[in-house]
Amino acid sequence: AQKVTQAQTEISVVEKEDVTLDCVYETRDTTYYLFWYKQPPSGELVFLIRRNSFDEQNEISGRYSWNFQKSTSSFNFTITASQVVDSAVYFCALSESFQGAQKLVFGQGTRLTINP
Amino acid sequence: ETGVTQSPTHLIKTRGQQVTLRCSSQSGHNTVSWYQQALGQGPQFIFQYYREEENGRGNFPPRFSGLQFPNYSSELNVNALELDDSALYLCASSPGGQGAPGANVLTFGAGSRLTVL
Repeated sequence: AQKVTQAQTEISVVEKEDVTLDCVYETRDTTYYLFWYKQPPSGELVFLIRRNSFDEQNEISGRYSWNFQKSTSSFNFTITASQVVDSAVYFCALSESFQGAQKLVFGQGTRLTINP
Repeated sequence: ETGVTQSPTHLIKTRGQQVTLRCSSQSGHNTVSWYQQALGQGPQFIFQYYREEENGRGNFPPRFSGLQFPNYSSELNVNALELDDSALYLCASSPGGQGAPGANVLTFGAGSRLTVL
């Protein structure tokens, strides 16, 4: 069965520090997609990135970067020079084709608090 | 471009009652999924609708049911509410039927927070 593990339940850092959120996944599929979503206090999940299992290149978008390592089944997310506005719950998710539907399997989330 | 809108935002019900939650999908999206997010947990897949048909269902009992309308909006109905049904219910829409399976980016609404007393 598909599974996503985010071992860090909560992280608290001071503004401007770098922080890495870990994500480990399990799947038997050879083709799959991984996602990161951000959930601010307002509740909606905001899409951050999608990664295809065939593309192991790291990606950088501004202060955000992602490290995908298929050999260790990990898809970690780093925020450089964190800001208070980065405070939120972050979810890693694995996409599964399920009964003809697209189903996202989410980790339990990491609550990130950036202190001024 | 209008995003996903859900109503109501908050509601309180008592055990045994029934509830209907509504979702309007993002413009251009024909697929709607529903997720349940208990406090402190990640969202759990309930089911997905494509072209007004349910095409995938997670591990939820039959008292969880849904509808999709010709304009792609959707409803989630829960009968015989139980205390454990208290959660944030998230609706997500996606283009569906396009691109590689599993590749679609889901656009989520802000959710309906249900409290069952």
